[in-house]
Amino acid sequence: GAVVSQHPSWVICKSGTSVKIECRSLDFQATTMFWYRQFPKQSLMLMATSNEGSKATYEQGVEKDKFLINHASLTLSTLTVTSAHPEDSSFYICSAPRGTVRNSPLHFGNGTRLTVT
Amino acid sequence: SQQGEEDPQALSIQEGENATMNCSYKTSINNLQWYRQNSGRGLVHLILIRSNEREKHSGRLRVTLDTSKKSSSLLITASRAADTASYFCAPEIQGAQKLVFGQGTRLTINP
Repeated sequence: GAVVSQHPSWVICKSGTSVKIECRSLDFQATTMFWYRQFPKQSLMLMATSNEGSKATYEQGVEKDKFLINHASLTLSTLTVTSAHPEDSSFYICSAPRGTVRNSPLHFGNGTRLTVT
Repeated sequence: SQQGEEDPQALSIQEGENATMNCSYKTSINNLQWYRQNSGRGLVHLILIRSNEREKHSGRLRVTLDTSKKSSSLLITASRAADTASYFCAPEIQGAQKLVFGQGTRLTINP
C-alpha cells in the first residue's frame, strides 16, 4: 500500500486564489520531503526540499513567496500555491525517503493535478 | 547538469521482447536509482544500485552501473504490456541531499 499520501489528487481553482496540497508519510517519520513539478511528458523538476522544523530549501528559479512550504510535523508537509495563475497549472508530486536522505529510495505520493482557470 | 539523461527518449517493442534503457550522468555519485511512472501517477522506486556495485537484479529487472563511464542501464526482460510506463534514472550526487531526474524513457509494450 501507499506509504506517502498526497491530497487532493486533483483541484481546479480560479486565477488569484490559493491552493494547498498536503503530503503525508503514513507509516514512517519524514524529516525531509521533496516537492516536484511535472509538465506533460516531461521530467520532474525539483522545486524545494522541505525540512521538518526549519525553512524549506528552494531550487534556483522557484519563487519562495509563490510556493509556500510548511513542514510542521514529522509526517506532514504542505505546499501552498499562492495567487495561482494559469501558468501554475501542472502536476505536483511530493516524495520522502524512509530514513536518511542518503542512499534511501524515495516514496512518492500520487501527485496533484492543478488546473487554474 | 547533475541530472541523469536517459536514452532513448521513447522505445516501443513487442510483448515478450527485452527492453534496454540507458542513463548517463556527469558527476560522482553515492548511488543511482531507477523509477517507473505510470501516466498521471507518482513514481515508484524500482532499484537502487550503489556506487561500489556493478550489477543488481530484481525479478525481471537488471541494472548495471559503470562509474568509469558514468553510465547505467536498465534491462527489463520478457516485457509485458503492464510494463508500459515512463522510466527515470536518478543519480544521487555526492554531497547533494536530493535526487534530480532526467527526461525519462517512455516505454510502450505492444501486445
